[in-house]
Amino acid sequence: YVLTQPPSVSVAPGKTARITCGGNNIGSKSVQWYQQKPGQAPVLVIHYDSDRPSGIPERFSGSNSGNTATLTIGRVEAGDEADYHCQVWDSSSDHWVFGGGTKLTVL
Amino acid sequence: EVQLVESGGGLVQPGGSLRLSCAAFGFTFNNFAMNWVRQAPGKGLEWVSGISGSGGDTYYANSVKGRFTISRDTSKNTLYVQMNSLRAEDTAVYYCAKGPSEYGRSGDYFDYWGQGTLVSVSS
Repeated sequence: YVLTQPPSVSVAPGKTARITCGGNNIGSKSVQWYQQKPGQAPVLVIHYDSDRPSGIPERFSGSNSGNTATLTIGRVEAGDEADYHCQVWDSSSDHWVFGGGTKLTVL
Repeated sequence: EVQLVESGGGLVQPGGSLRLSCAAFGFTFNNFAMNWVRQAPGKGLEWVSGISGSGGDTYYANSVKGRFTISRDTSKNTLYVQMNSLRAEDTAVYYCAKGPSEYGRSGDYFDYWGQGTLVSVSS
């Protein structure tokens, strides 16, 4: 199972960033999103498609339908600049699968 | 407070072996699935292996199956991965990550991560 993310997304401060994760019928799977800043471990920002763990700002939201899952970051701040990785469980292979990651640049 | 601390990384020659450890603190270790995830320099995340809370179910990426063995010691609250027949392409930072349930399968995610340990495979 393959997850496809755009290598990079750029957004101006205060605007909305949308990062996509494409996969065959991904809408039937539960999607997670992780934020990873340089030199740091990943941090879970969205699970079960759209649920935010405690401590994650409401500016972070997720959706999942058809062949595309989307992480949306509203009112983007400089501190949101990071790599974002999507993840699903592939039940046909009993494997966790990550997308290639998207580098979010805040202009 | 949940804390995961990896150790055991280092420089190893191709064909060599290494055992990584992940010490867990702040939760009941045997109640939760655990995983190893790696990240090659400048690359994305790659799931390596997972183990259920009981240790009865293990899962491996195709790239490491037959070479890596995941295990856990409840008495020491520690997760391990034994890595044999190492290749240059195994060079990466290896993270351990905790799941929110004992199963480690569909419906799970990785809610806590360690800071990682670097494995370099080179002659």
